[in-house]
Amino acid sequence: GENVEQHPSTLSVQEGDSAVIKCTYSDSASNYFPWYKQELGKRPQLIIDIRSNVGEKKDQRIAVTLNKTAKHFSLHITETQPEDSAVYFCAASIPGQGNLIFGKGTKLSVKP
Amino acid sequence: DAGVTQSPTHLIKTRGQHVTLRCSPISGHKSVSWYQQVLGQGPQFIFQYYEKEERGRGNFPDRFSARQFPNYSSELNVNALLLGDSALYLCASSASGTGGFSNQPQHFGDGTRLSIL
Repeated sequence: GENVEQHPSTLSVQEGDSAVIKCTYSDSASNYFPWYKQELGKRPQLIIDIRSNVGEKKDQRIAVTLNKTAKHFSLHITETQPEDSAVYFCAASIPGQGNLIFGKGTKLSVKP
Repeated sequence: DAGVTQSPTHLIKTRGQHVTLRCSPISGHKSVSWYQQVLGQGPQFIFQYYEKEERGRGNFPDRFSARQFPNYSSELNVNALLLGDSALYLCASSASGTGGFSNQPQHFGDGTRLSIL
């Protein structure tokens, strides 16, 4: 079955710097890749997603890139702010299957 | 519009007991999925229901069961609770698209924190 690996497990940046989180997936059939932000004690919140027919997608300070050949996708956060501090999860989904396979998460800390 | 709602928010049970968790999807969403999130890990898929039928099942024992009602709300049942069942149980709902129930954005509720003593 599908397996999603996520790196790094922790990431500390200074406010205003960029942060990059990387994920790899094992099943080349996967075609939907969402990213979730989960603050302590709160629900996972969908922040951006990308489908396999697109190489890059941006939403203000957040962007996601997808490399289907290498089977990896990345989350880029620019101009980080303290409120970006949270655990970020990547996930992958295979066509015809409704479940998401999640990575283990990256704890992002943005220091003022 | 109301998001995904789950009840109860917290629950404490003892080993061997049974528990029922409830979920109401976003209005108009016909698909509900259940996930288990152990502290420090990503959510792990348990079940998906779409149009009241089971569409997917994760690698969980038969002690776990679920169902979806005509109003698209859902229940997750866990029998013979074990200490290892302690976790945050998340429900997510999604709308159907051209792909049907699959590969649609899933929106999570706040979860039920289940503690087994």
